[in-house]
Amino acid sequence: GESVGLHLPTLSVQEGDNSIINCAYSNSASDYFIWYKQESGKGPQFIIDIRSNMDKRQGQRVTVLLNKTVKHLSLQIAATQPGDSAVYFCAENIPNAGGTSYGKLTFGQGTILTVHP
Amino acid sequence: NAGVTQTPKFQVLKTGQSMTLQCAQDMNHNSMYWYRQDPGMGLRLIYYSASEGTTDKGEVPNGYNVSRLNKREFSLRLESAAPSQTSVYFCASRTHPVGNQPQHFGDGTRLSIL
Repeated sequence: GESVGLHLPTLSVQEGDNSIINCAYSNSASDYFIWYKQESGKGPQFIIDIRSNMDKRQGQRVTVLLNKTVKHLSLQIAATQPGDSAVYFCAENIPNAGGTSYGKLTFGQGTILTVHP
Repeated sequence: NAGVTQTPKFQVLKTGQSMTLQCAQDMNHNSMYWYRQDPGMGLRLIYYSASEGTTDKGEVPNGYNVSRLNKREFSLRLESAAPSQTSVYFCASRTHPVGNQPQHFGDGTRLSIL
């Protein structure tokens, strides 16, 4: 999960294993969540998203689970590959008081995923 | 297909100098965003433009100004750079002004202020 300060959580896995990256989000009013992958020297790359009216969403090799009761989000990567090594960020969208979403995302601090061949 | 293009990629400034970071997108997106990323941290929103002709403050707007020049371009200006503004700056865009959809990011401008 996310931590406070400059020391990012890390996850090391072997190639072919499944990976689970966790994120605790901050605001119970958040209505939309996104997972991004960031490789060294690059901008964040969209992986998968989920709306707050869903519990689970699947993509290609990735699944996002949302538990609103405990404000927890997870990203599952199946059959992890060395190319999956990166920093993974969760982001939450908090709508304004009127319920309108303008894309004002709040990002978690990230988790470093290292995949060993 | 360029997506979101940021210039320059790297810049070193002295304290007190001014600088404009440029961002352009070719996806016909309505909304554009500026974030900063500090070591070991997630991105923080500086300013955004939900649609052409509008701009609004994000989480950390102090020391910055923005201009939505047209639908494609959104610039970020540091009027008097301070060492605390040393960071990596990312621009992003998305399709619609309102609602929920992902943002697409450029590869950043790495800015050092001495």
